[in-house]
Amino acid sequence: EPEVTQTPSHQVTQMGQEVILRCVPISNHLYFYWYRQILGQKVEFLVSFYNNEISEKSEIFDDQFSVERPDGSNFTLKIRSTKLEDSAMYFCASSGGLADTQYFGPGTRLTVL
Amino acid sequence: QKEVEQNSGPLSVPEGAIASLNCTYSDRGSQSFFWYRQYSGKSPELIMFIYSNGDKEDGRFTAQLNKASQYVSLLIRDSQPSDSATYLCAVRSDGQNFVFGPGTRLSVLP
Repeated sequence: EPEVTQTPSHQVTQMGQEVILRCVPISNHLYFYWYRQILGQKVEFLVSFYNNEISEKSEIFDDQFSVERPDGSNFTLKIRSTKLEDSAMYFCASSGGLADTQYFGPGTRLTVL
Repeated sequence: QKEVEQNSGPLSVPEGAIASLNCTYSDRGSQSFFWYRQYSGKSPELIMFIYSNGDKEDGRFTAQLNKASQYVSLLIRDSQPSDSATYLCAVRSDGQNFVFGPGTRLSVLP
């Protein structure tokens, strides 16, 4: 069964450093998303991406964040200068259509020291 | 601000009982509703979705939607210890993204 994959599973970084989180969505899906979940809190939407551009973003997704689909399979989230409060699980999701179910990857745990 | 509310729990039920999980949402224009299960440290896993008022059944799970009351619920019949997890209600309005509730922690006692 096709699934969303994410790498790395755990990333530790120093405050102020740049990180890139990687995702491989399900191959025939067209819509891609990033969510985050701070420990013990709810899942929060960051950004959605379709047709090589951002279609929606939340207030959390400020200038420190960017997304890219560098090739036909990868979808990345970059945080330019990490802060302590960026520590969270980051989930990538994809869906086949606008109104379709979103399928989540296993997540990347980001720890900012 | 679009809000999705759930009782945080924990909700404890004995094995074999029916577990009833509830969710309310603030945006009357919401169009689709999803229930995800999340085990500790894992990603959300889809259980089922519902778009229309009424009940939708899938195996041991039944989703119920009442748009007039802005209420969606999930019933789990014959609850098993492996059902112990946090259940997330997710609501989509006119955009693409989901608004998640805080989740209800379910504990099924053997």
